[in-house]
Order: sequence, then C-alpha cells, then structure tokens
Amino acid sequence: EAQVTQNPRYLITVTGKKLTVTCSQNMNHEYMSWYRQDPGLGLRQIYYSMNVEVTDKGDVPEGYKVSRKEKRNFPLILESPSPNQTSLYFCASRPLAGPSTDTQYFGPGTRLTVL
Amino acid sequence: AQSVTQLDSQVPVFEEAPVELRCNYSSSVSVYLFWYVQYPNQGLQLLLKYLSGSTLVESINGFEAEFNKSQTSFHLRKPSVHISDTAEYFCAVSYSGGYQKVTFGTGTKLQVIP
Repeated sequence: EAQVTQNPRYLITVTGKKLTVTCSQNMNHEYMSWYRQDPGLGLRQIYYSMNVEVTDKGDVPEGYKVSRKEKRNFPLILESPSPNQTSLYFCASRPLAGPSTDTQYFGPGTRLTVL
Repeated sequence: AQSVTQLDSQVPVFEEAPVELRCNYSSSVSVYLFWYVQYPNQGLQLLLKYLSGSTLVESINGFEAEFNKSQTSFHLRKPSVHISDTAEYFCAVSYSGGYQKVTFGTGTKLQVIP
C-alpha cells in the first residue's frame, strides 16, 4: 500500500530534550515536506526537500532541522524543543514528474507536546 | 507572494442541507487550486483540484468547486451533506508550472448536525 508513515504518532517531552520524528514514504517521491498545524493558523511549512541531500527552509524553520540521506526518509529533528513547538506535525510527499506531481500525500500526523 | 483566505473557521449545517465553504486566494500569476479534507485524527487527503480547463471540478463524494478568476475564489459546495462529511476542509494554492510551493488556508470545520 502506497503510504507516508510517521513515528511516533504521539510524543510528550520536556524542554531541551532532543527528539526526532521520522517520516518514510514508499512511493519513490522526490519531494518531501514537513508542516505544522496549529489552531487558527492552518498548515505552515517547516522544511522541504526536492531530492536526496537537497533541503530548504519553508515558512517556519526556526528551531527545526531536517536531513535527506535517503530518498524515502525525511526525519524532523528538534535539537532543543520548546513549549511553542507543541503542535501537530505532518509529513507529506509528492512526485516531481508524472501525472500526480500536483498532489501531496500526507502522513497520519505526530502530536507533540513539549512541557 | 500567494495567500489563501478561508473566512469561516466553523460552519454548522443540518444533514441533507446544502453547504458552501468559501475560499479566496491572491496571486499575481496563474495558480493551481486545491481542497483537502481532514477527518478527525487523520492526515489530509486531496478532495479535488483545479489545474486548468473546465472551471468546475468535482469529487467522487459529491463535492464540487468552481474556479472564478475574476473573483479569485474557489468555493467548495455540496448540495446535500451527510454526517460523514463532518471534517475540517483546507483550501490551498500553488503557482502553476515547475516547482510549486503550496500555501494552505487556515481551515474550515464543517459540522453536520443530525
């Protein structure tokens, strides 16, 4: 089954404790992206990647890091989480060629709480 | 820069009544337009999209949206809603052609009342 998976789905942590949220897709998509969803603000893009070793900042990159060492994986790293990073995070992917290049496929989300 | 406005944060509607969820965008270039749906505790799924051609686009579950260039709108409609349509709906816009950064609206929660 074609899908985007995220782990963990739920995470409660404390300020300053480094964490990583994993994202993996099995559709051989070149493009991957991380969003955060907050009430009243919709989805805001954190980082995106056009291909392996190619990443760039989205609209709200502060406090986050990403890496793209393999095409299928795009982990989101919070080196020193703070309470304002409490949010619902979504990973998404899409192809950059072919008939579905305009359609993003979303993971199920990771709900992060930083105390 | 492109932007999307969804003025209604919540829309309550009785079952079998019609509904319209409003979306307006701003962009200085040609755009692609999308509606995504998010059911409770799930990720977003593409509902329908406008890329080019006919300005009226339809989804498989009875929703439709019309691209109106002069009014820069892409409102989502359904003539008769069902309980299962209860969800949050996001309008999104991207530039047409080449790599497209997608900008999402703030979402509209559709609550269908039995």
